[in-house]
Amino acid sequence: EVQLVQSGPEVKEPGESLRISCKGSGYSFSRYWIGWARQMPGRGLEWMGIIYPDDSDTRYSPSFQGQVTISVDKSISTAYLQWNTLKASDSAMFYCVRGFSGYNSRWFDPWGQGTLVTVSS
Amino acid sequence: QTVVTQEPSLTVSPGGTVTLTCASSTGAVGIGYYANWFQQKPGQAPRALIYSTNNTHSWTPARFSGSLLGGKAALTLSDVQPEDEADYYCLLDYAGWVFGGGTKLTVL
Repeated sequence: EVQLVQSGPEVKEPGESLRISCKGSGYSFSRYWIGWARQMPGRGLEWMGIIYPDDSDTRYSPSFQGQVTISVDKSISTAYLQWNTLKASDSAMFYCVRGFSGYNSRWFDPWGQGTLVTVSS
Repeated sequence: QTVVTQEPSLTVSPGGTVTLTCASSTGAVGIGYYANWFQQKPGQAPRALIYSTNNTHSWTPARFSGSLLGGKAALTLSDVQPEDEADYYCLLDYAGWVFGGGTKLTVL
């Protein structure tokens, strides 16, 4: 079974750093993109960025460029989303998703279960 | 930055048909935008329904279909069921992926 399993919920204080993870299994991890999306409480999905594990090609949405870092360790089939200095406004649910990009076909599935990040003093 | 616009909310009766649309601030949406559609129910992760404009996944109920309509990507639900009540998001690729704001579909 193809699945993405994300790390557990986090509670942090403003100014702290954080890295959350997304582990893929049941498929060739290096050959599919991993995307990240944010969902703030009661709001819609926002695309953050995407990484290709085989060569670490990373593309950020302009809104998140410089705010987060997306990385991957293909040796353990795991992608990461990292903050160096958290703000209260970073509190949200974060999802990872597997992506495929072909000549005339692009799709995303499955999604991880989500990681809830709460930043509060 | 590209802005993708969806209807904030729609209401449909059980057994009815409804079309959700997805417009881009860059202009008419075409097949090169590779529109994807997702369904999200409260407390759950999103679930993929449609990819690359009009392709369904193996698990997508036959009553869901994707198309291009009037310069927008469209998701049509036919014979709507109560369990179709959910939020629906489109995702377009135009020099980078962008989500629409989502449509809250009420089945009433």
